[in-house]
Amino acid sequence: GQQVMQIPQYQHVQEGEDFTTYCNSSTTLSNIQWYKQRPGGHPVFLIQLVKSGEVKKQKRLTFQFGEAKKNSSLHITATQTTDVGTYFCAGPANYGQNFVFGPGTRLSVLP
Amino acid sequence: DTEVTQTPKHLVMGMTNKKSLKCEQHMGHRAMYWYKQKAKKPPELMFVYSYEKLSINESVPSRFSPECPNSSLLNLHLHALQPEDSALYLCASSTGTSAYNEQFFGPGTRLTVL
Repeated sequence: GQQVMQIPQYQHVQEGEDFTTYCNSSTTLSNIQWYKQRPGGHPVFLIQLVKSGEVKKQKRLTFQFGEAKKNSSLHITATQTTDVGTYFCAGPANYGQNFVFGPGTRLSVLP
Repeated sequence: DTEVTQTPKHLVMGMTNKKSLKCEQHMGHRAMYWYKQKAKKPPELMFVYSYEKLSINESVPSRFSPECPNSSLLNLHLHALQPEDSALYLCASSTGTSAYNEQFFGPGTRLTVL
């Protein structure tokens, strides 16, 4: 079935450093969504990307969708301790309904 | 109200017990989902309901039985579970089942099977 992969699996950064997680698919994606799950919490929707080459910003977060629509990235500038959590990308499942989550990148931020 | 609620928060049950998980949303969403999430893993889709009808069952064992009594409520009935079924069970809802729809997740029920 449809799969999306994410790297890295874990990232430890010092507060104030930047962070990037990458999401890759072997097939073209119609769209991609990003979710954040805090430790002990539940996934929370961050953003959706639909267009080839699309770039969206949310304060210190920058999301990109690749030109071929097979990859995406999430970049956080000047991380803060509130950024701690697991970041999941999610791409459409093969049958067109719903989507499948990537394995996630777990970010820890050292103060 | 943009919240999905789930009860109970925690549940411990034996392998012979019967219990139910409950999920509720009042956003008028017509799609509702059950996910299972093991520690350090992504949520794994179990069931999808669209307009109160089961539209996707991801080959889930019959010891898990979903039910959608109305458009706001979703239940997951549990019977004869195994210890490996211990996990966080997440409910989610969205306006529709399209992959373009944002999903709203509840806080989850942390299930332990002894």
